[in-house]
Amino acid sequence: SYELTQPPSVSVSPGQTARITCSADALPKQYAYWYQQKPGQAPVLVIYKDSERPSGIPERFSGSSSGTTVTLTISGVQAEDEADYYCQSVDSSGTYVVFGGGTKLTVL
Amino acid sequence: EVQLVQSGAEVKKPGESLKISCKGSGYSFTSYWIGWVRQMPGKGLEWMGIIYPGDSDTRYSPSFQGQVTISADKSISTAYLQWSSLKASDTAMYYCARAAAAGIGYFDYWGQGTLVTVSS
Repeated sequence: SYELTQPPSVSVSPGQTARITCSADALPKQYAYWYQQKPGQAPVLVIYKDSERPSGIPERFSGSSSGTTVTLTISGVQAEDEADYYCQSVDSSGTYVVFGGGTKLTVL
Repeated sequence: EVQLVQSGAEVKKPGESLKISCKGSGYSFTSYWIGWVRQMPGKGLEWMGIIYPGDSDTRYSPSFQGQVTISADKSISTAYLQWSSLKASDTAMYYCARAAAAGIGYFDYWGQGTLVTVSS
């Protein structure tokens, strides 16, 4: 089965840069997508196709890819960015959707 | 405006059946895959399966195959998730979401979630 691995938690101070990684366990790596989920709310897409930003998402959110690892970067973190972040991809056959375990971002 | 509106919270007993719904509006319902995602209390997102309302092509996560049934009624732009015999471990929030791109890709719009509580 195809798995995505994220760190359980990341902590940063306001104004710093947060980086959340997501590692795929197999090649070829498919595109990765990132969602932000705040308590009591549905997930919101913040990055698609590794590095594209949907309209309405602040520019401080960016994505990158290297090998089998993708990274969500939040520059100039704000208190409102405190949330759980999930990466998502599909398996190589394009049949199954897979989510990473999620990373809790804490803004100190 | 694209919207996915889910049915309300449910409280059920173990062994009971349940069908929850997700009504799409503001777009061509038959042209986009609709997926279901489980989130157990305090846990992460789990993909359950997905359906293409245009032809009812349906795929299930191996973890949920045989445990739930996903269906859609394109005449009323509504997708469904159903259980024939609930277990306490089915207690969770369930989200429907629209897949954005051709194929199952990623989810650009989400429903508000339906909380299912199974308790004797």
